[in-house]
Amino acid sequence: NAGVTQTPKFQVLKTGQSMTLQCAQDMNHEYMSWYRQDPGMGLRLIHYSVGAGITDQGEVPNGYNVSRSTTEDFPLRLLSAAPSQTSVYFCASSYNRGSQPQHFGDGTRLSIL
Amino acid sequence: AQSVTQPDIHITVSEGASLELRCNYSYGATPYLFWYVQSPGQGLQLLLKYFSGDTLVQGIKGFEAEFKRSQSSFNLRKPSVHWSDAAEYFCAVGYTLNNFGNEKLTFGTGTRLTIIP
Repeated sequence: NAGVTQTPKFQVLKTGQSMTLQCAQDMNHEYMSWYRQDPGMGLRLIHYSVGAGITDQGEVPNGYNVSRSTTEDFPLRLLSAAPSQTSVYFCASSYNRGSQPQHFGDGTRLSIL
Repeated sequence: AQSVTQPDIHITVSEGASLELRCNYSYGATPYLFWYVQSPGQGLQLLLKYFSGDTLVQGIKGFEAEFKRSQSSFNLRKPSVHWSDAAEYFCAVGYTLNNFGNEKLTFGTGTRLTIIP
């Protein structure tokens, strides 16, 4: 099993560009989530999903969209990138609840110029 | 609102010495509590978790943590650290988000651990 796979690992964007961060898991987990990690701020929840077709906002959802068409995939879309979105993004999954231990991907380091 | 506080931003410990990383949480009910470790350039890995029962929990890599309800604390300990323990450590609390039973984790801001010879 690969676990949680995030692509790309690194990306540089210009302000105003859009892009999609990919996240896939092969553990048949229902719960998936996206976090951003910024220095001194820990991890903050962007969006989460409790199953295919169901998504909800976390603490910092502005500027990001998600969808969950399959159990395996949970892409994160930046609609119009801003320098404030420069961060490291982590995708995580768990069996069916957010309070269960999370399996994390290795992260995507995103820089917005 | 739920919150997690890790008061120590950076801790330096000599190899072989004991370690205690502090974590305090704010939550009305009994929370689910976790400690995760992050090595440079990596994702987070679960060290241990507390759901209920015995308040002293054992984790991987020789770590343990004690849940103290009266102090709202969940401190992480290790009797003797190794150079490979150098990493960032995050405490997290899991709780129910809304009436639909959805849940989330709130993370502390992390403690960076440096090991000196």
